[in-house]
Order: sequence, then C-alpha cells, then structure tokens
Amino acid sequence: RKEVEQDPGPFNVPEGATVAFNCTYSNSASQSFFWYRQDCRKEPKLLMSVYSSGNEDGRFTAQLNRASQYISLLIRDSKLSDSATYLCVVNVGTYKYIFGTGTRLKVLA
Amino acid sequence: DTEVTQTPKHLVMGMTNKKSLKCEQHMGHRAMYWYKQKAKKPPELMFVYSYEKLSINESVPSRFSPECPNSSLLNLHLHALQPEDSALYLCASSPSHVEELFFGEGSRLTVL
Repeated sequence: RKEVEQDPGPFNVPEGATVAFNCTYSNSASQSFFWYRQDCRKEPKLLMSVYSSGNEDGRFTAQLNRASQYISLLIRDSKLSDSATYLCVVNVGTYKYIFGTGTRLKVLA
Repeated sequence: DTEVTQTPKHLVMGMTNKKSLKCEQHMGHRAMYWYKQKAKKPPELMFVYSYEKLSINESVPSRFSPECPNSSLLNLHLHALQPEDSALYLCASSPSHVEELFFGEGSRLTVL
C-alpha cells in the first residue's frame, strides 16, 4: 500500500460545479498535511494547510479525519483557472514529506 | 511571485559536462531541499539541509553533489549525468521540519 494515495482522475467538471478530492495516508504518526496545486510544467504551489478543525479559504475547504486517516479538498463554484493537478502532501517525520501522485482536474466551459 | 529563486531555469548538458544548479531564499527558513520530478510523477526527495548541514540524502548517486554555502543558498553540482537524469529539479525551503514547503520555479534539465 502506498503511503499517500489519491485518485489520479482526471475529474472533468463543468464551470460552476462543486468537486471533491480525497487522499488517504497510511502512517498514523503523520504530523502535518497540505494541499498543493501544480500546473503543467510548473512548480507545486501551496494551496492550503489542513487542520483537524477543518479550514476554508474562499471557494476551497479542506478537512482532516485522523481516525480514518484521510484528508479532503472541496472546491466550490469551479473556475476554468482551477484546472490543474492537486497534490496531497503528508509530513511523516522530520523533513520527510510524502507526495501523493496527484489528482488531475479539468474544468470545462 | 515565488520567494525561492532558482537558476538557471533551463539547462542542457552533455554527459561529460560539469554544471551547477543554484537556489536562494530570503525567508529565513532553516531547511532547504532538492527534489527531482519526472513528467506526470510527484516530486521525489533527493537531499535536505537543516541549519546548513546535510540531514537527509535519499541514496542519491554521487554524480549529484549538494552544497549549502550558507543558510540562504543551496547548490546542486552535476557531473557525468545520464540521459535518464533529465527532469525538473525543484528547490524548496520550509520554516521548520513539519511546516509547509515553498518551492522555486525549478530548473528543467536535459542531459544529451
């Protein structure tokens, strides 16, 4: 089993739709959790850190479920510019960050 | 907009060349990282420097040689590379050992 698993997609959704991604992790000692966005041939950019209480940033909401060992990302009112690969990243110890394989999202006009 | 600066953005080198990739950050972060990313794959950790000391080497071949001259700079020296080493090389920094990573734009390396 991979340490961090994501559905690779692609998720093709119309503009304005709500879309959700899940990511599961296997290391129960994982300490911190993040969602990154990566555009084609560009660097990963931090979208949001994920906290146990859940957190929201505009149209984006992230949740952490430690008991079930998964994190989620919800995107509301999808925009064409949201098309990208979304990487789930889990810190499993000192300076060790495990990346999921990414979920591709394409928002269609 | 990135606060981690990498040079060069593109590099083409032959298998007998020696070149270096450079990375700089001025956020006061004490940890700096080199990652390698192949197309359609997630980044793979190569090296971590913490407080200017090498903390992690993920069994990277010796043809890649990291160097951290000071807390703001990180270099990756390249020598006798193979075509399969062609990839996007990403530098990152973090404020601590568990906080978010901040990536540079990357150096796209092609080995002929």
